[in-house]
Amino acid sequence: GIQVEQSPPDLILQEGANSTLRCNFSDSVNNLQWFHQNPWGQLINLFYIPSGTKQNGRLSATTVATERYSLLYISSSQTTDSGVYFCAGTVYKLSFGAGTTVTVRA
Amino acid sequence: EAGVTQFPSHSVIEKGQTVTLRCDPISGHDNLYWYRRVMGKEIKFLLHFVKESKQDESGMPNNRFLAERTGGTYSTLKVQPAELEDSGVYFCASSQDFVGSGGSGGTDTQYFGPGTRLTVL
Repeated sequence: GIQVEQSPPDLILQEGANSTLRCNFSDSVNNLQWFHQNPWGQLINLFYIPSGTKQNGRLSATTVATERYSLLYISSSQTTDSGVYFCAGTVYKLSFGAGTTVTVRA
Repeated sequence: EAGVTQFPSHSVIEKGQTVTLRCDPISGHDNLYWYRRVMGKEIKFLLHFVKESKQDESGMPNNRFLAERTGGTYSTLKVQPAELEDSGVYFCASSQDFVGSGGSGGTDTQYFGPGTRLTVL
C-alpha cells in the first residue's frame, strides 16, 4: 500500500493561533480524507479532498495531487480543536498517516 | 440520518476468550470496511465488504479473525481466541461507493463509527 507521512507529529498551540498540518503520500491517491479524532476516540470526517481547496469554518484544506501532498489549516485555534488529526489516502483502501496530535492551550 | 454505529463501545476480555464486534453501517451504504489501531501504531485496513461479499480481506492479520456480513446489512468481526496483541481500537466505516466503482462527487467518502476499544488481559 501507499505510505502516508504526517508532520509535525505533535503541535502545541496557544488559543487563537493558526497552524498548518501536512500530509505526504508516496504515490498518487484517488481519494483523500482528513479526520479529527476527538478525546472520546471518535473519527470525525473533516474533508474529502482529492484535489483543490475546501473550507469549513475555521478549517480549510488544500490538496496538490500532482505533488502528492495535502495541507490542513487551522485558524484561530480553540481548545475544542485539540485531538489527533489524521489524513488518509485511497488508491483502493484508506491508508492512514500516524497522525498529528494537536494540543490547544487556553 | 444515523451514522455508523458500533457495539460494544468497550470490551475487556481475557486471553483465549472470544469476542464479537458489531457494526451497523449508514443505511444504503453497500460498502463496509473494518480498520483497527493497535497501541502506538497507525490505523490499518482489515477488510472491505461490498454488500455481503468480501471484496478485499488482505489486511486481516490471521485466521483468528472472522468477519461476516450476512444479508449485506450489519457486519460482525469475531476474534477467537483473542491474544494480548489484539488489544486496540476497532473501527468500522461505510461508504456509498468505493474508489474505482465509477462513483463521483465524494460518494466514496468513508464515514467512520465511534470504534470499539478492545482490551485483552
